[in-house]
Amino acid sequence: SQLAEENPWALSVHEGESVTVNCSYKTSITALQWYRQKSGEGPAQLILIRSNEREKRNGRLRATLDTSSQSSSLSITATRCEDTAVYFCATDAEGGYQNFYFGKGTSLTVIP
Amino acid sequence: GGIITQTPKFLIGQEGQKLTLKCQQNFNHDTMYWYRQDSGKGLRLIYYSITENDLQKGDLSEGYDASREKKSSFSLTVTSAQKNEMAVFLCASSPGPGERLFFGHGTKLSVL
Repeated sequence: SQLAEENPWALSVHEGESVTVNCSYKTSITALQWYRQKSGEGPAQLILIRSNEREKRNGRLRATLDTSSQSSSLSITATRCEDTAVYFCATDAEGGYQNFYFGKGTSLTVIP
Repeated sequence: GGIITQTPKFLIGQEGQKLTLKCQQNFNHDTMYWYRQDSGKGLRLIYYSITENDLQKGDLSEGYDASREKKSSFSLTVTSAQKNEMAVFLCASSPGPGERLFFGHGTKLSVL
């Protein structure tokens, strides 16, 4: 069974709109990471948020973490066509920090 | 900055063949990973290595061998390719436990 899961499975927005992707996870963690994967490339990290943090920002990106509900969100404001990609959340397992568990991803399409 | 180079980019094999995928990194990172990505599924860890000559099995290690003879390189061998198997193999490195993963562009495997 998946230890991390993003939802929705896919979504599309028009350029300039804001969008939020959610992640739920099942284990105690030390950190959660958000990655973006464009077609034909490997995933690239967007944000790392540690278990003692509630929010982290990186430019137009904002991640939140709620350890009590074991959930996280990634919001993108003022979307651009180049934001079109698959977005993954990845969690470590507390005490097993070498292994990262990735969800299946959310496919985001930004329409010009 | 550094780079992760995976070779080959595409690999076509026959059922039963032993196939080797290679990965080089110039970040000078200690930890390296091999993940498998199937369509519609998340990334699944095959092997990782925390230092030269170290090997740790991931959740998907059966059917694979790995080798870390140098700090900068990490190779993965499919011991017996399965007919109609199709997946992307992603190599990654990390500066330390629980830190960001840097991914290569992947090797796409097809088995006839």
